[in-house]
Amino acid sequence: DTAVSQTPKYLVTQMGNDKSIKCEQNLGHDTMYWYKQDSKKFLKIMFSYNNKELIINETVPNRFSPKSPDKAHLNLHINSLELGDSAVYFCASSQDNSYEQYFGPGTRLTVT
Amino acid sequence: AQSVTQLGSHVSVSEGALVLLRCNYSSSVPPYLFWYVQYPNQGLQLLLKYTSAATLVKGINGFEAEFKKSETSFHLTKPSAHMSDAAEYFCAVSKGATGKLIFGQGTTLQVKP
Repeated sequence: DTAVSQTPKYLVTQMGNDKSIKCEQNLGHDTMYWYKQDSKKFLKIMFSYNNKELIINETVPNRFSPKSPDKAHLNLHINSLELGDSAVYFCASSQDNSYEQYFGPGTRLTVT
Repeated sequence: AQSVTQLGSHVSVSEGALVLLRCNYSSSVPPYLFWYVQYPNQGLQLLLKYTSAATLVKGINGFEAEFKKSETSFHLTKPSAHMSDAAEYFCAVSKGATGKLIFGQGTTLQVKP
């Protein structure tokens, strides 16, 4: 079984569209994260949820909205997509206080 | 504020040679430090972590790293490179109880036959 899974793996869409990326973890972890990896491979955290509660919200445009229906899922919804949103988005999870994060395979978003 | 600097965006070694990837951190509190590896078109895999126990940390695939507080460094080493080690390597520091990871800019390791 995949520990942290993301769907879809690839997402190609046009500017102005709204899209969602889903993430699920079966590790029983309490905390989940979204990271963005840009074209230069730089990784930056976007959001973090602990037991469905938002605990990290970096300076991300409010077009990005995370949603955590339960502690095993953290979805990322993006409104009005822009060219600059093209990147690889990684979901991760960790057990409280362990600080060790497990990453999903990533979703490559291409906005045309 | 925590930050991480990886010296050298590209490192090239011959197969069988020593691998040394450099990482320096800044942190106002004792840090938790990590090395992750990213193979092409894949997610990040944890190689090893330092969490204030032993300063020499052994990880997977023969990698190890030494925490040196006096030098604020956490360099990654492997005695003998394999072709399969070619990948992107990221050093990261954990910021406080939120678990937020701050990554370095990454180092691409090339292994030549």
